[in-house]
Amino acid sequence: DAGVIQSPRHEVTEMGQEVTLRCKPISGHNSLFWYRQTMMRGLELLIYFNNNVPIDDSGMPEDRFSAKMPNASFSTLKIQPSEPRDSAVYFCASSSVGDEQFFGPGTRLTVL
Amino acid sequence: AQSVAQPEDQVNVAEGNPLTVKCTYSVSGNPYLFWYVQYPNRGLQFLLKYITGDNLVKGSYGFEAEFNKSQTSFHLKKPSALVSDSALYFCAVRDILNAGNMLTFGGGTRLMVKP
Repeated sequence: DAGVIQSPRHEVTEMGQEVTLRCKPISGHNSLFWYRQTMMRGLELLIYFNNNVPIDDSGMPEDRFSAKMPNASFSTLKIQPSEPRDSAVYFCASSSVGDEQFFGPGTRLTVL
Repeated sequence: AQSVAQPEDQVNVAEGNPLTVKCTYSVSGNPYLFWYVQYPNRGLQFLLKYITGDNLVKGSYGFEAEFNKSQTSFHLKKPSALVSDSALYFCAVRDILNAGNMLTFGGGTRLMVKP
């Protein structure tokens, strides 16, 4: 199994640009999670989906952030417009019901 | 609501000595408890979990954790630390009553093992 796949691994963009992060969960997992990790704030849950349906998006910082899961094998996290304070490592994770979450390698986002 | 506390930002231990990384939790019902490890520039890796059964849980790389319901703790332990164990460790909890799979993570503890 390839595990959770995230792309790109690194993204450098300028303030105001749109950024799209992508995630492919482990096949058969029905829950998907987006996290953000920074030195200042640690690991934060942004949003999670069960069976492709968003369950809790209370962690999404503001309207500039949006996430979609059009099918069981793909999810996106979009930031529009991006700001320097969005610079962080963004992780995607997936799990089956009741099981541990498996994390992807992360996308390191730098907004200049 | 569920919460996790990792009271130590950093733990320092000499190679070959036993190590303990502390974790306490708060949930409304019965907990599922997890430990993850993060090496530099990597995602979090699952180490072990407690769901039910024996209070002492054994996991990857020689780590183990003890569930203590009365103290609401789930401390991570290893009898003999290795330099390669140096990493960031996260404790996480899920309330069984929670209908989803959401985990609440602690703030992380950096383990430094010195030769």
